[in-house]
Amino acid sequence: DAMVIQNPRYQVTQFGKPVTLSCSQTLNHNVMYWYQQKSSQAPKLLFHYYDKDFNNEADTPDNFQSRRPNTSFCFLDIRSPGLGDAAMYLCATSRNPTGHQETQYFGPGTRLLVL
Amino acid sequence: EDQVTQSPEALRLQEGESSSLNCSYTVSGLRGLFWYRQDPGKGPEFLFTLYSAGEEKEKERLKATLTKKESFLHITAPKPEDSATYLCAVSIKAAGNKLTFGGGTRVLVKP
Repeated sequence: DAMVIQNPRYQVTQFGKPVTLSCSQTLNHNVMYWYQQKSSQAPKLLFHYYDKDFNNEADTPDNFQSRRPNTSFCFLDIRSPGLGDAAMYLCATSRNPTGHQETQYFGPGTRLLVL
Repeated sequence: EDQVTQSPEALRLQEGESSSLNCSYTVSGLRGLFWYRQDPGKGPEFLFTLYSAGEEKEKERLKATLTKKESFLHITAPKPEDSATYLCAVSIKAAGNKLTFGGGTRVLVKP
């Protein structure tokens, strides 16, 4: 089955220690998104890639970076995690950014714990 | 300001007791409305996309409808496995592909 895969499912890191979360997709979608979701809140968009074009949300802290080396993979780098960065990180994909193929499909998420 | 509001925040149902969840929106230029189901500790699972007022979509015990101001997610004869948080999100013509989410409705179906 075509899908969005996230690894690891759970990640524990130390305060200030860089961490990378990964996402891969077999849907061959053009757009990949990273969301942050804190407990009992709606997902918050951090940034997205449309093919190789990176689009950052205005309120995404500089501490968060992303890389998309190819169509299938996208990485979320947190350079210096703080306690407030503990959350579920969701990767999503869509075929197109707008129009009738814009439906976003989410992966299972990576739960990040910062000690 | 663009807003998406879901009600109720939480819903307790007996198995077989049908009900409806509401998603009302105040946005400039709706492009699409999306329903997702999210289980605890998991990513949102896509359910439906609606684009036009009057549009309806069904999947098993779920049916989504759309008007110019709101969408409903009807759950018919729910089962305990329908327990989840249901998220509504909209895409807006002026906002590119950014989704604006509602706060979600937590549904608990008791056997």
